[in-house]
Parts: sequence; structure tokens; C-alpha cells
Amino acid sequence: EVQLVESGGGVVRPGGSLRLSCVGSGFRFDEYGMIWVRQVPGKGPEFVSAIRWNGDNIGYEESVKGRFTISRDNAKNALYLEMSTLRAEDTALYYCARDAGGLAFDVWGHGTMVSVSS
Amino acid sequence: QSALTQPPSASGSAGQSVTISCTGTGSDIGGYQYVSWYQQHPAKAPRLLIYEVSQRPSGVPGRFFGSKSGNTASLTVSGLQADDEADYYCSSYAGSDIWVFGGGTKLTVL
Repeated sequence: EVQLVESGGGVVRPGGSLRLSCVGSGFRFDEYGMIWVRQVPGKGPEFVSAIRWNGDNIGYEESVKGRFTISRDNAKNALYLEMSTLRAEDTALYYCARDAGGLAFDVWGHGTMVSVSS
Repeated sequence: QSALTQPPSASGSAGQSVTISCTGTGSDIGGYQYVSWYQQHPAKAPRLLIYEVSQRPSGVPGRFFGSKSGNTASLTVSGLQADDEADYYCSSYAGSDIWVFGGGTKLTVL
């Protein structure tokens, strides 16, 4: 079964850090670009960051530039999002998803919740 | 990057058709053929319905049809069924490994 499983979410104080992980299984992880998307309950998804299959091309949403770092370890079938200097507005459910090849995302994880609160 | 603009709600009777619009700019929808649409039921992850403006992944019924004109993309759902009641989101590639999503449209099947 093709699946993605996120982990690493939690409650953190403003200014704190978290590292999210996403492990893929059931497919050749190293052949696909990956993305992090976040969603506040009741709101639309918001692009956070993306990385191509080989890690050579990376993109970030403007508000997370300089604070978040996306990376991947294809040997471990893993995608990461290192988040620092967290703000209240970073509070959301964070999903990882697979680029289907048409710059669209066909496999999504269940999400991991990040809450930034004092 | 600004979010793509979608109507907050849409509705139609079972068996009828409904079209949801998604408006962007020349830097996203108008500049690329990489518009996608997602369906999301409550407490579920998004499901890909349409990619590259009008392509359907395997398993997505032909009742879902995507199109684009200029800076506006559209999703048409025909033969509405009860299970189509969900939130629908558009997305577009915006260059430089950046994507933008719409704010979502809640579809109600009457």
C-alpha cells in the first residue's frame, strides 16, 4: 500500500522549534518530489515548502523563508521539515504529500498537528 | 504569494451539475498548465481529482471535469451525488518550486 506517515508535531512555545518527519512506503520514494502543506481547521490548505526528488530544487512560502528548512533522506524514504522561530500563526495541521508528476499531489499523509502557544 | 480566489460555497441538486471557479493571476494559473483540484471530506486528507488543468487520475470518475481560461480555472461536477458534498480546493504551480492554493469551496448537494 502506498502511504505517507507524518510525525513530530506537538505543542511548542513561540520562538521554539520542531522537526517534522514524513516516511513513505509502498513506492520508490527517491523518484518523487515532495511537499509540505499546512491547514488550519476550517481554512484552505497553504503551501509551505517543496523539494524535488533529488533535493536540488527547493521552494518555500514567503512567511517561512529563513525559519523552516525542508530536506529529505532517500535512503530512509524520509522527508523532513525543520521549523524554528515558530509563531502562533504557524499553528496548523501539517501534511506531507507526493508530487504525482503533473506538479499535483496524489498521495497525502494523515497530518501532524503543530500548536504554537504560550 | 496570494491565495487563489474561490467562491466560499456552491450547491446543486442531486443529478445536476455545478461549476466551481478559481481565479489567480498570470503568475500562477495564467502562466502554467499545472492547475489541480482536490476534494476534502471532513477530517480527511485532500484527494486529488484533477491535475494539469483537465487530467483525471485513475479512479476519479468522469463526472469531474477541469478547464482553464486565462487566469481562471474551473471544476465542473456533473451528476451530483450525495458523496460529492465536500470542500473543494484548487491549486496552481507558481514557478520556482512554489505552489498556491485556493481558499476552498464548500459544495452542498441539495
